[in-house]
Amino acid sequence: QVQLVESGGGLVKPGGSLRLSCEASGFTLRDYYMHWIRQTPGKGLEWISSIDGLARGIDYVGSVKGRFTISRDNAKNTLYLDMNSLRDEDTAVYYCASGGPDVGGAYWPFQQWGRGTLVTVSS
Amino acid sequence: DIVMTQSPDSLAVSLGERATINCKSSRSLLYSANNNNYLAWYQQKPGQPPKVLIYWASTRESGVPDRFSGSGSGTDFTLTISSLQAEDVGVYYCQQYYGGPFTFGQGTKLEI
Repeated sequence: QVQLVESGGGLVKPGGSLRLSCEASGFTLRDYYMHWIRQTPGKGLEWISSIDGLARGIDYVGSVKGRFTISRDNAKNTLYLDMNSLRDEDTAVYYCASGGPDVGGAYWPFQQWGRGTLVTVSS
Repeated sequence: DIVMTQSPDSLAVSLGERATINCKSSRSLLYSANNNNYLAWYQQKPGQPPKVLIYWASTRESGVPDRFSGSGSGTDFTLTISSLQAEDVGVYYCQQYYGGPFTFGQGTKLEI
């Protein structure tokens, strides 16, 4: 059974840092593009970052560039999101999702989603 | 960035009736080299993550009931639920994956 499970969310002060993890089971993470997407009541769903199977291709939405870093450990079948210089507006539920195949799958729908982890940035 | 605009924002439909949700993109999502539209539809129920229903604008995901269908090309797309069931209540989103940053519509809340 394909499953993605996020962890690492919590309450953090503005300017603080947090590392999110996404553990995959039932499939080989290395074979897929992976994404982080967040959801807030105000801004809806927002794609924030993607990474290909061997971490050769990485992309970010402009609002998190220079603050967030996506990475993966294929041996552990785990995706990460390191978040620094957090702001109030980063408060959201963060989802990891699988995309297309590592070869030719950069532009593909988000087919498997985790249940999300809540990040709250507040003083 | 490609802006995705859905209409309506909310929709109430009787059981067994047809529901139609529209999505418009600020630029064409049709890639001429392969004739594919890079457009997906997702359903989100309360307390759950989004679930993909339709991709390439009209391809139904495995396991999705055939009452769900997608149509359209270029900049204008439609999700149709042919005969609404109680379990179809939720929020529906369109999303473009033609180019980064990948963007979503604001969502359409479907009620009975």
